[in-house]
Amino acid sequence: EAGVVQSPRYKIIEKKQPVAFWCNPISGHNTLYWYLQNLGQGPELLIRYENEEAVDDSQLPKDRFSAERLKGVDSTLKIQPAELGDSAVYLCASSSTSGFYNEQFFGPGTRLTVL
Amino acid sequence: DQQVKQNSPSLSVQEGRISILNCDYTNSMFDYFLWYKKYPAEGPTFLISISSIKDKNEDGRFTVFLNKSAKHLSLHIVPSQPGDSAVYFCAASVRGAQKLVFGQGTRLTINP
Repeated sequence: EAGVVQSPRYKIIEKKQPVAFWCNPISGHNTLYWYLQNLGQGPELLIRYENEEAVDDSQLPKDRFSAERLKGVDSTLKIQPAELGDSAVYLCASSSTSGFYNEQFFGPGTRLTVL
Repeated sequence: DQQVKQNSPSLSVQEGRISILNCDYTNSMFDYFLWYKKYPAEGPTFLISISSIKDKNEDGRFTVFLNKSAKHLSLHIVPSQPGDSAVYFCAASVRGAQKLVFGQGTRLTINP
């Protein structure tokens, strides 16, 4: 079974430029998460999708960040314009939605460097 | 407000000995706890979990202990092996909330 796929793995951009990250979750997983991981910190949730609906985006900085999961499968996270402080690893995770709690499976992440 | 804290950024243990990683939490609503392991350039992978109705869960070399009164959990690895060298994250959740809150991580190094 293929794991969570993310691309690109690395991205270097100049500040004020736009950038987009793509995630393909594990087949059959209805729940998709985007996390931000700063250096030396644990992952922090940005947004959670149940199928195509964003059910928790309270931590997403909506002035510059946006996300979509149009068909309830893969997802794109966008930053426009990027700032120096956005340099971090962006992780995507997915889980099934049966039961009270579901283990989250993470992709390898996209490391963003903003110059 | 850091709801899940791992106060040791790093830990060094000799191969074959026991590794003990600690985690504290402040939110008494948390009722499910997990440990994730992360190698460089990879995403975190699930290691072991424990529900608040238990105080211990064991899986091979890995055991997680939960002390609800102290709001503290620990991960024991015995015996430690070189492949255990990684960053370990503690995470907590409220059952049904589908949201994990992570600690800062502890970098474990196993020395030969």
